[in-house]
Amino acid sequence: AQSVTQPDIHITVSEGASLELRCNYSYGATPYLFWYVQSPGQGLQLLLKYFSGDTLVQGIKGFEAEFKRSQSSFNLRKPSVHWSDAAEYFCAVGEGDSSYKLIFGSGTRLLVRP
Amino acid sequence: NAGVTQTPKFRILKIGQSMTLQCTQDMNHNYMYWYRQDPGMGLKLIYYSVGAGITDKGEVPNGYNVSRSTTEDFPLRLELAAPSQTSVYFCASDSLPGQGLDTEAFFGQGTRLTVV
Repeated sequence: AQSVTQPDIHITVSEGASLELRCNYSYGATPYLFWYVQSPGQGLQLLLKYFSGDTLVQGIKGFEAEFKRSQSSFNLRKPSVHWSDAAEYFCAVGEGDSSYKLIFGSGTRLLVRP
Repeated sequence: NAGVTQTPKFRILKIGQSMTLQCTQDMNHNYMYWYRQDPGMGLKLIYYSVGAGITDKGEVPNGYNVSRSTTEDFPLRLELAAPSQTSVYFCASDSLPGQGLDTEAFFGQGTRLTVV
């Protein structure tokens, strides 16, 4: 069965520092990949998605992610974290060749030190 | 523009009771979804719909039912509530998933349900 693994439950970074959140997926073909952010008490907001083409994807709020087929990874990065980035981040993959039936990872909670 | 609206925001049910979680969107999206989020976990797809009159099961459909009589509304029905259905429920909608980078799923703010 397909799965998504986010190995880091919590990550703490200092404001202004760089950030990388890890995501690994299992799927034989090229998947549809997504990163969502969830602020406390809120629904999910799409940060970026990869469907095909350029493996470096730019998203909102200064985030980017790189699809690496050889490593089955889709890590999320940001060069300089702001205090407002503190939230929970979810990686998701489309089930099979679907772009709308999503399988989510268990999430990474980001804490930002002043 | 209201987006995706879910009601109620909170609800406590007794075991065996039933209820309907309401979801409505005003973006004329064809695709709608129901997810549940258990503590410390990612979202799991319960049911989805690709248009009015069409619904299908997701990963965890047992104990739930849905209907899609209009484009705007996608209610989720819980029959015979059980403690295992204690969760946060999210409704989402999308226009044309997979058709381009300018489409995305919009989520409601969630319904926190406790079954006691």
